[in-house]
Order: sequence, then structure tokens, then C-alpha cells
Amino acid sequence: SAVISQKPSRDICQRGTSLTIQCQVDSQVTMMFWYRQQPGQSLTLIATANQGSEATYESGFVIDKFPISRPNLTFSTLTVSNMSPEDSSIYLCSVAAFGGAEAFFGQGTRLTVV
Amino acid sequence: KNQVEQSPQSLIILEGKNCTLQCNYTVSPFSNLRWYKQDTGRGPVSLTIMTFSENTKSNGRYTATLDADTKQSSLHITASQLSDSASYICVVLYNNNDMRFGAGTRLTVKP
Repeated sequence: SAVISQKPSRDICQRGTSLTIQCQVDSQVTMMFWYRQQPGQSLTLIATANQGSEATYESGFVIDKFPISRPNLTFSTLTVSNMSPEDSSIYLCSVAAFGGAEAFFGQGTRLTVV
Repeated sequence: KNQVEQSPQSLIILEGKNCTLQCNYTVSPFSNLRWYKQDTGRGPVSLTIMTFSENTKSNGRYTATLDADTKQSSLHITASQLSDSASYICVVLYNNNDMRFGAGTRLTVKP
């Protein structure tokens, strides 16, 4: 199985600042996915991070607010920029590995913006 | 339109009752379909995985079905318990390495 290390696990940030979340996978994966789960809501896909190309953002999410890096096949970062209290959420990275046979998740980052 | 649609959005049942959650998808080519349980504040936990050739799979009180022709899946929970209160999320893996989540069904089991 693939192991995903996501950090930080939680953070409390001031509004107007930015936070970068890291996701490290112990094997090479083609696609990595970033999700957000706001309080009481289900998972919402922010973007798909492909190595060597620009991330693909879902409707309602833009690169200026959520820049993503994918420098290689085992690592990705998501930055939450110019944060406001509405950005308080759990951010989760996940991957599909082994030819799509398995889906794995990071432990999540609980972000609180004050 | 979401490529993975779940229904109902939320459901309240009494302890001991059964319930069925639905998942319809449009993505292809299909690899497999998973049902996850997500407790509040925690990451998703896999309940079942269904491949193209499987119609039914059980995991304790959870039974998942898959109709790959109509692209529909269901998750049946038998004799519900208070601890079943959670979000149940359908995830479809397709196109070798891509995947899409449904919006989930929030289940509340009341005593």
C-alpha cells in the first residue's frame, strides 16, 4: 500500500497570511488530489495535481488562492493564500495508485483562521 | 454536473433500522468503486471495494452492490447502530489513475 505523509496536521493562522500544506507519498503516483472539507460538509475537490504540468482546478477554485506545486511524482504542496476565516477547513490530499486499483489519503490538515 | 452523484444528501434513521445509500456515476473507463465511512473530523475509512465483475460484496453489516451497466451502486446498512452516524462517501476510480468523490450522504442514527 502507499503511505501518505501530510503536514502540518493542524495549524491556527492569522487572516491575511498563507499556509503551505505538504503531501509526501512513499511511491510514485501519476495524480495527486487536493480536497477541502468545511465543517459539516463533505469532501470537495479543489484540484488535481499532475507532475510536469499545471494543476487542474475545479469550478470555484483558482490558482491565485490555492497555488499547487508538483515537482516530482512523490510530492505536492497546496498553499492557502491570503486566508480568511472562511478558509477554516480540513484539507486532505489523496492519490490513486497501482493503476487505479487503490485510493489512499493523507491524515488531513485542520486549518483554523482567526 | 458532478460525475459521481450520491443520494440522499442526508438521512436520519432510528437505531436498529436498515437503510440504503445510492451512488450513480458517469465517469469511464471504470476501474473500481469504493465506499468510505468518514467520522466527523477524521479521514475516510474504506468499507468496500467493488470491481467491474463484482455485483455484491459484504463487510459485516455493510453490503455494497454494483451495476456496471447502469453505473449505479448502493450501500446497505443493516441493523444500524449509533456509531454508524457518519458521512458515507462513494469514490469511483477510473481511467487508470483518476478518481472522483461523491458529495457524500450524512447519516444520523438516533436512539
